[in-house]
Amino acid sequence: AQKITQTQPGMFVQEKEAVTLDCTYDTSDPSYGLFWYKQPSSGEMIFLIYQGSYDQQNATEGRYSLNFQKARKSANLVISASQLGDSAMYFCAMRETTTDSWGKLQFGAGTQVVVTP
Amino acid sequence: DAGVTQSPTHLIKTRGQQVTLRCSPKSGHDTVSWYQQALGQGPQFIFQYYEEEERQRGNFPDRFSGHQFPNYSSELNVNALLLGDSALYLCASSNWDLIGNEKLFFGSGTQLSVL
Repeated sequence: AQKITQTQPGMFVQEKEAVTLDCTYDTSDPSYGLFWYKQPSSGEMIFLIYQGSYDQQNATEGRYSLNFQKARKSANLVISASQLGDSAMYFCAMRETTTDSWGKLQFGAGTQVVVTP
Repeated sequence: DAGVTQSPTHLIKTRGQQVTLRCSPKSGHDTVSWYQQALGQGPQFIFQYYEEEERQRGNFPDRFSGHQFPNYSSELNVNALLLGDSALYLCASSNWDLIGNEKLFFGSGTQLSVL
């Protein structure tokens, strides 16, 4: 069964606008971590933001914020003030910690973001 | 400080051949994970090495094997290559922050094409 679902295959966003990338997850593990990565055309996966399942507050890192809705099993990424350099593939990922899954991230299919001038 | 480095960047092989991909982790990292990313998909976990041993493995056949050296660098070997093995192979090294959260740092990958 798919653990991470990203329903938006692609999005266009205008420069300086905010964009929300959707991510839902499926786990019965009470302890887990949620990640967002950016993958430009160069191929490298760049870590953006992390949210632990027990974190009380939504994670923020600069222009990135994570809208964590635990009851809905949703972890949407919000990018504020989009820049041309934000054009890339974005992946949501999860690690289920109590199943001894060090290093084992489960990724969604990704969302391609294109920022236009 | 060099990040995670992988070699080669691109590789072309034919069906049935064997291939070895290499990864040097970020300085200070002792754990290496390998992922396979097929075109248009998210990465899939292959296995992880720690202290020169395979600690965890994903749903990949035994044709996929690995090794970790005393300097923490790692190799991924794939035997009897199939067309379906064509993918971007990503290596990630890990460290843990002060509250026990693991952070993975990825390399730029090796693009393998099997003809």
